[in-house]
Amino acid sequence: SQTIHQWPATLVQPVGSPLSLECTVEGTSNPNLYWYRQAAGRGLQLLFYSVGIGQISSEVPQNLSASRPQDRQFILSSKKLLLSDSGFYLCAWSALVTDTQYFGPGTRLTVL
Amino acid sequence: GESVGLHLPTLSVQEGDNSIINCAYSNSASDYFIWYKQESGKGPQFIIDIRSNMDKRQGQRVTVLLNKTVKHLSLQIAATQPGDSAVYFCAVAIQGAQKLVFGQGTRLTINP
Repeated sequence: SQTIHQWPATLVQPVGSPLSLECTVEGTSNPNLYWYRQAAGRGLQLLFYSVGIGQISSEVPQNLSASRPQDRQFILSSKKLLLSDSGFYLCAWSALVTDTQYFGPGTRLTVL
Repeated sequence: GESVGLHLPTLSVQEGDNSIINCAYSNSASDYFIWYKQESGKGPQFIIDIRSNMDKRQGQRVTVLLNKTVKHLSLQIAATQPGDSAVYFCAVAIQGAQKLVFGQGTRLTINP
């Protein structure tokens, strides 16, 4: 069966510091991968998605970037965090681009 | 249609009653629909899905109804339990598009 992992689970970072969040998927090949952000009490905002290694589509221009160095690894990064980057970051995978997406446990990021 | 980033509407029901959560979509080319449940501090969890060639699908205590004429989707939860308290999201796939579009979510509270 497929599983999706995210780490770290929680992170507290100062403004201006770099960020690296990691997501890995097990039990499937060539998944479509997604990064979402969720502010408190709000819906899901799609940040990036990837249909293959090295292929990244950005949905919202902002202070973040994504990379996919391996088939089942998706990384969310920032060179300098802003206060507004705080939120709950969710990684998801799907077999097809318009198929069910399965979410990881999320990373709670607080920027102080 | 779907709006990401708005505050979530809320629904409160008594334990044991049935709950109905609604979702409207705007694109008649939408052909795949999914309901997710998100508990506090966790990633969204798949509940049930339905394709556009169906108008009803049942799971364990849950039923999804699709009305393509008025572009409306609903999730019915029978005999609600305290564990049903969560935020529920609908997601819609548009034929030919490369991603799901998520609704804003509804916070369901079960009162004892």
